[in-house]
Amino acid sequence: AQKITQTQPGMFVQEKEAVTLDCTYDTSDQSYGLFWYKQPSSGEMIFLIYQGSYDEQNATEGRYSLNFQKARKSANLVISASQLGDSAMYFCAMREGIPTGGFKTIFGAGTRLFVKA
Amino acid sequence: EAGVAQSPRYKIIEKRQSVAFWCNPISGHATLYWYQQILGQGPKLLIQFQNNGVVDDSQLPKDRFSAERLKGVDSTLKIQPAKLEDSAVYLCASRTGVASRSEQYFGPGTRLTVT
Repeated sequence: AQKITQTQPGMFVQEKEAVTLDCTYDTSDQSYGLFWYKQPSSGEMIFLIYQGSYDEQNATEGRYSLNFQKARKSANLVISASQLGDSAMYFCAMREGIPTGGFKTIFGAGTRLFVKA
Repeated sequence: EAGVAQSPRYKIIEKRQSVAFWCNPISGHATLYWYQQILGQGPKLLIQFQNNGVVDDSQLPKDRFSAERLKGVDSTLKIQPAKLEDSAVYLCASRTGVASRSEQYFGPGTRLTVT
């Protein structure tokens, strides 16, 4: 079963508008973390935002916010006031504990965002 | 603070040849990861080290892939012999501490093409 599902292979958004990138996850753990990363065409992975499963408030980092709905197991990324530089691949990831100790991070397949001028 | 360093950045080899990648994590980062990212897909974890011990290598094709992290710092990932399906970007990442909250820092990756 897919642990992280990103159902939107590609998204278009007009510059200066907001866009929501979907992410659903599957885990039986009570304690886990959710991350979003950006990967521009240059290839580097850039950390955007983190949400802990016990965090009561939705995480925000500048123009990025995470719409965390724990009961629905969704962790959507909202980008406000899109900029041309936001055009990139976006990956949702989940970190959960593993039996051998420590944590394992699993990535979704990604959503490619295109920002139109 | 210097980031995660990887070399080489690009490598082209023929199938059945061997190849090795090198990673130098951020100083002080105890956890080191190797990921394989095939074009159009998300990164897939190959192996995870905590200091110089292996935490998870369940998705590492051990018949051809090997990795080590000597002295808990630098790491090398080797493929021997390479197959066409190994063509991918190999990403190294590191993380400080053991808290689940801390993010991973990624290197620029090594793009491997197997012909």
